[in-house]
Amino acid sequence: QQQVKQSPQSLIVQKGGIPIINCAYENTAFDYFPWYQQFPGKGPALLIAIRPDVSEKKEGRFTISFNKSAKQFSLHIMDSQPGDSATYFCAANRWGGTALIFGKGTTLSVSS
Amino acid sequence: SQTIHQWPATLVQPVGSPLSLECTVEGTSNPNLYWYRQAAGRGLQLLFYSVGIGQISSEVPQNLSASRPQDRQFILSSKKLLLSDSGFYLCAWRPQNTEAFFGQGTRLTVV
Repeated sequence: QQQVKQSPQSLIVQKGGIPIINCAYENTAFDYFPWYQQFPGKGPALLIAIRPDVSEKKEGRFTISFNKSAKQFSLHIMDSQPGDSATYFCAANRWGGTALIFGKGTTLSVSS
Repeated sequence: SQTIHQWPATLVQPVGSPLSLECTVEGTSNPNLYWYRQAAGRGLQLLFYSVGIGQISSEVPQNLSASRPQDRQFILSSKKLLLSDSGFYLCAWRPQNTEAFFGQGTRLTVV
């Protein structure tokens, strides 16, 4: 129940494409779902986050879609650019809970 | 503003040697502090977290230990490193009810 399952493990898209990364969770007590972006040799940084009272959240080219009944959420990157090439992690926990539980990550490569 | 410092950036240590990684946070008090390890294909594995001085919770039994001697200091240690301890170690802090902020990480190679 503490796991967050993320797919795919890696993803290659062309510039301008829309990569989609999916995550699923089991613990119905989770109510905070962030996405982190990590560049090689750096620590992860928050990209966008959502709470289950909304089904979608957009920030710039990044969109989270959330399906509470299916216990799934996904990250969409519109008009992807080579600079978006990075590893993306989804995470979850209870709002106010102690620690974020992370997925295993997706390595995205955007070719020019 | 709050900042998190983690050092060293890289470390090469022989098997059986001790380890000490340090993390400090500035600009906040009584933060929740975390140690994660990142290994290829395994994502970010939570190792330890602390909600206050001297309060350490271990998530994964292993060859490592953590201590919090001061409010804004979190230390990851080992008495004798194993080859399997190699990885990218990340310290993070989390204010109440908000996102987690990560340090720049320490790349540890045990040889």
